[in-house]
Amino acid sequence: GAVVSQHPSWVICKSGTSVKIECRSLDFQATTMFWYRQFPKQSLMLMATSNEGSKATYEQGVEKDKFLINHASLTLSTLTVTSAHPEDSSFYICSALSGTSGSDEQFFGPGTRLTVL
Amino acid sequence: DQQVKQNSPSLSVQEGRISILNCDYTNSMFDYFLWYKKYPAEGPTFLISISSIKDKNEDGRFTVFLNKSAKHLSLHIVPSQPGDSAVYFCAAKGANNLFFGTGTRLTVIP
Repeated sequence: GAVVSQHPSWVICKSGTSVKIECRSLDFQATTMFWYRQFPKQSLMLMATSNEGSKATYEQGVEKDKFLINHASLTLSTLTVTSAHPEDSSFYICSALSGTSGSDEQFFGPGTRLTVL
Repeated sequence: DQQVKQNSPSLSVQEGRISILNCDYTNSMFDYFLWYKKYPAEGPTFLISISSIKDKNEDGRFTVFLNKSAKHLSLHIVPSQPGDSAVYFCAAKGANNLFFGTGTRLTVIP
């Protein structure tokens, strides 16, 4: 079956540094990937939609200059948290759409736990 | 390989009847399981969870059953309502990660 990986699975960094999280579709091509952040009560908030070869679409309230998304290939999207602060500490999950445009079959990555000291 | 599997991509149920969504996992180290509900263009919303030390958790119309020996969990919705129509994801929590199934689309027919 389709597999999505994330790297790293956890990261601890100092305040003010930048952290890059990778999301890869391992055995399929994904023109669209999503980035989520998990909040208390465990629901996932959609941060942005990443389309290969074009700029990401950010949800309202998400700072595009702070959360840089690059979808450079059909199998890789990256999320860079720039100048991280403790309030950015969270669990970040990506997912990838498989199939043709309009399909909503999503495959989730295992998530990345970010802790900013 | 998928560590959490939902083998039924879709399910249709008549309003008022029971909906049963199934999920299987492979890793016996998972200690916490969650069900999420997702509407189009929205992020998954947490629905109900169960710890591996329990075999049942109930919240209103939603009940989750866990069978550790079979590495199987299920979500029961009774009675089903048209507003329950959505994609349901099960997820299993490891040490640092949350592994999702591929989802089951539930359609509740009025």
